[in-house]
Amino acid sequence: SAVISQKPSRDICQRGTSLTIQCQVDSQVTMMFWYRQQPGQSLTLIATANQGSEATYESGFVIDKFPISRPNLTFSTLTVSNMSPEDSSIYLCSVEENSRRSEQYFGPGTRLTVT
Amino acid sequence: GENVEQHPSTLSVQEGDSAVIKCTYSDSASNYFPWYKQELGKRPQLIIDIRSNVGEKKDQRIAVTLNKTAKHFSLHITETQPEDSAVYFCAASLGGYQKVTFGTGTKLQVIP
Repeated sequence: SAVISQKPSRDICQRGTSLTIQCQVDSQVTMMFWYRQQPGQSLTLIATANQGSEATYESGFVIDKFPISRPNLTFSTLTVSNMSPEDSSIYLCSVEENSRRSEQYFGPGTRLTVT
Repeated sequence: GENVEQHPSTLSVQEGDSAVIKCTYSDSASNYFPWYKQELGKRPQLIIDIRSNVGEKKDQRIAVTLNKTAKHFSLHITETQPEDSAVYFCAASLGGYQKVTFGTGTKLQVIP
């Protein structure tokens, strides 16, 4: 499967600031997804990022808070804006490879702590 | 939208015993059902999946079954080993670049 990396792996940020998380894949993929996983919880989809179009956000998530870019078929960024302690979570990107339809593979995640 | 329920939330078994995790889904259009294993501090890892045209699938010590009529699917782990200890998530999807909806997770502990 594709090799997926995320930067940063972890960060501690002050409330009111913003953090941009990068997701890089070693092969071209049509669809990338961004998830949030709060401590001890399941995975919640934030948005779906298709190259060349606006990201599609899930209920409860808005573009102003979580802007996403998808400039090409191997890269995406998620920004967590105007952070509050409630944004402390693990943020994961996942990809669905064109050759493995439906199967999603996850990046290593970014552990964000907001103080 | 899709809703996936998962039981039990925690499961402890003796090494060598079997473990079963059960999930139900709400959207009859879902046709792809993956299972993920997440070890502490690690990313979720796809361990097995099943599609709606198949009733059962096996891969060594793990197997999944699907009952589309009842909208149930299950993960079976036989001859459990300590390294099977992790959180397991079931999920459901329409497949093909569609969103995946995850269950709430089962923390499996295998006692040596």
